[in-house]
Amino acid sequence: GAVVSQHPSRVICKSGTSVKIECRSLDFQATTMFWYRQFPKQSLMLMATSNEGSKATYEQGVEKDKFLINHASLTLSTLTVTSAHPEDSSFYICSASYGYEQYFGPGTRLTVT
Amino acid sequence: EDKVVQSPLSLVVHEGDTVTLNCSYEVTNFRSLLWYKQEKKAPTFLFMLTSSGIEKKSGRLSSILDKKELFSILNITATQTGDSAVYLCAVENTGTASKLTFGTGTRLQVTL
Repeated sequence: GAVVSQHPSRVICKSGTSVKIECRSLDFQATTMFWYRQFPKQSLMLMATSNEGSKATYEQGVEKDKFLINHASLTLSTLTVTSAHPEDSSFYICSASYGYEQYFGPGTRLTVT
Repeated sequence: EDKVVQSPLSLVVHEGDTVTLNCSYEVTNFRSLLWYKQEKKAPTFLFMLTSSGIEKKSGRLSSILDKKELFSILNITATQTGDSAVYLCAVENTGTASKLTFGTGTRLQVTL
């Protein structure tokens, strides 16, 4: 089946630093990847839709200058949280589209101290 | 704005019980409704429903969609402790390819 990986699985960083999270589709090419954020005991909230070779489309309320998304190839999208603050601490999950299905990565738990 | 409401928010049952989880939705251009199971990590896919009245079944889990009344149910029979998880319902619209709107989930705990 289609496999999506994320790296790192867990990261702790200091306030003010930037963190990059990678999302890879391992055995298929994904023209579209999605980035979600999940706060404790809440559901997944779509942050942005990333299309290979073009600018990401951000959901309302998501700062595009803070959450930089790059989708440089059909198998890799990256999310960079710039100048991270404690309120950015969350579980970040990517997914990749294959046909009509969406396959999720295992998630990255970000803690900003 | 697309909206998904799940009920109950949480549920505790004994092993062997049958549970029904509910999902109602509002979406501008419906393509599909999906159910996921989330344990400690990212969601794992259970079902995709596109047609009304057709039950999807996988082992002890089954799901059905009612497009007229805009809801779906997920049934789990003979529950086991391994079924303990958050069950997420999501709807996909046709406006943007594969864009999913998730409900808040139902947290199921199965006890011995």
